[in-house]
Amino acid sequence: ADVTQTPRNGITKTGKRIMLECSQTKGHDRMYWYRQDPGMGLRLIHYSVGEGTTAKGEVPDGYNVSRLKKQNFLLGLESAAPSQTSVYFCVSSYLLGPSEQYFGPGTRLTVT
Amino acid sequence: SQQGEEDPQALSIQEGENATMNCSYKTSINNLQWYRQNSGRGLVHLILIRSNEREKHSGRLRVTLDTSKKSSSLLITASRAADTASYFCATDGWNSGYALNFGKGTSLLVTP
Repeated sequence: ADVTQTPRNGITKTGKRIMLECSQTKGHDRMYWYRQDPGMGLRLIHYSVGEGTTAKGEVPDGYNVSRLKKQNFLLGLESAAPSQTSVYFCVSSYLLGPSEQYFGPGTRLTVT
Repeated sequence: SQQGEEDPQALSIQEGENATMNCSYKTSINNLQWYRQNSGRGLVHLILIRSNEREKHSGRLRVTLDTSKKSSSLLITASRAADTASYFCATDGWNSGYALNFGKGTSLLVTP
């Protein structure tokens, strides 16, 4: 797969720290984390346009990210909350202009 | 923020029939994309149409774009049971690293 995510499923408790990992093999510069909730569509959490750079999306509160290597984009929940129960998608795409985006398989996260 | 809004929210047809989904958006776009999501999976890119294009075809898919009405349609001809999925339109913006703004999707059910 071009974009992989680990774990695929996760359960954690309120207040715990958890990290979601994303890796892509296409050499893409741009990477994104979205969350998908029923009736809400997909919402952008954070994104990165290149190694070492990150920026906030639409719903960044409660999340942090890091892009230390071009192929990896990590999403962290420092203190997980039940409201962060969701399906998380990592996405990557080329840098130059608008282009199709490649989705990972998703991480289904439950915070109890 | 969600830019595209798909209509209808749900569509049920029989194999062989055509399926038409519509998407409306609010602000100017560079391009509009359509994605498909099978249950429990990541989204898969179907087609991209640029703002200066009016119609585009890909296999059984036909996409139209009317920038004056800020709307797009996706037509799937001769539908198959395997077309059962959710379909999303997505618009991009100049900001957020060309992150896409997704609608909430149309759920298509094709029955044999």
